[in-house]
Amino acid sequence: QVQLQESGPGLVKPSQTLSLTCTVSGGSISTSDYYWSWIRQHPGKGLEWIGYIYYSGSTYYNPSLESRVTMSEDTSKNQFSLKLSSVIAADAAIYYCARVRGGGTEIDSWGQGTLVTVSS
Amino acid sequence: QSALTQPASVSGSPGQSITISCTGTSSDVGGYNYVSWHQQHPGKAPKVTIYGVSNRPSGVSNRFSGSKSGNTASLTISGLQAEDEAYYYCSSYTSTTTYIIFGGGTKLTVL
Repeated sequence: QVQLQESGPGLVKPSQTLSLTCTVSGGSISTSDYYWSWIRQHPGKGLEWIGYIYYSGSTYYNPSLESRVTMSEDTSKNQFSLKLSSVIAADAAIYYCARVRGGGTEIDSWGQGTLVTVSS
Repeated sequence: QSALTQPASVSGSPGQSITISCTGTSSDVGGYNYVSWHQQHPGKAPKVTIYGVSNRPSGVSNRFSGSKSGNTASLTISGLQAEDEAYYYCSSYTSTTTYIIFGGGTKLTVL
């Protein structure tokens, strides 16, 4: 049973870069079977897909965030990461990492989520 | 405004059945069998309840079922229980730019 766990600073200053890591256990990220995704949820709101990364290093981002998003992977640690630059108050949210079935079709596992606050 | 349309709320009494709809387009819900439903209790992470329109992950009660007709997918919960009270989000693969899109979520209240 795969497990995903987000980690990173819970507080980021405006204009700085948000950096989060997802550690995967119970399965390797170096597989062609899955994509590895970031999704966020603003307080009391719905879910917003941020993007995902494939084992090859290929990335796919939500066009609304693409200019500020960078995803990467560290296969030696079985981790993948999210960087969101020039954060603003509207980036405050719970950030989830998730595993997505091959082809980027469906989420099949979620992390527990981590709350990020944007404040000076 | 979410890409997929769900009712904001539904309610039912214990033991009853309810259905939550999720309406999209032929580029997402109607075009692919990649519709999922995610249950989210307050303060918790979402949990996949249905995938591939009508498949249940291991451990999910058979009281949960999914279906699709045209551009609308549906989640049905039978024999409602208090523990079913939660938010439910649908998601779908899309052939447009964002790959996975979500509905706005439906709050299920068990009366």
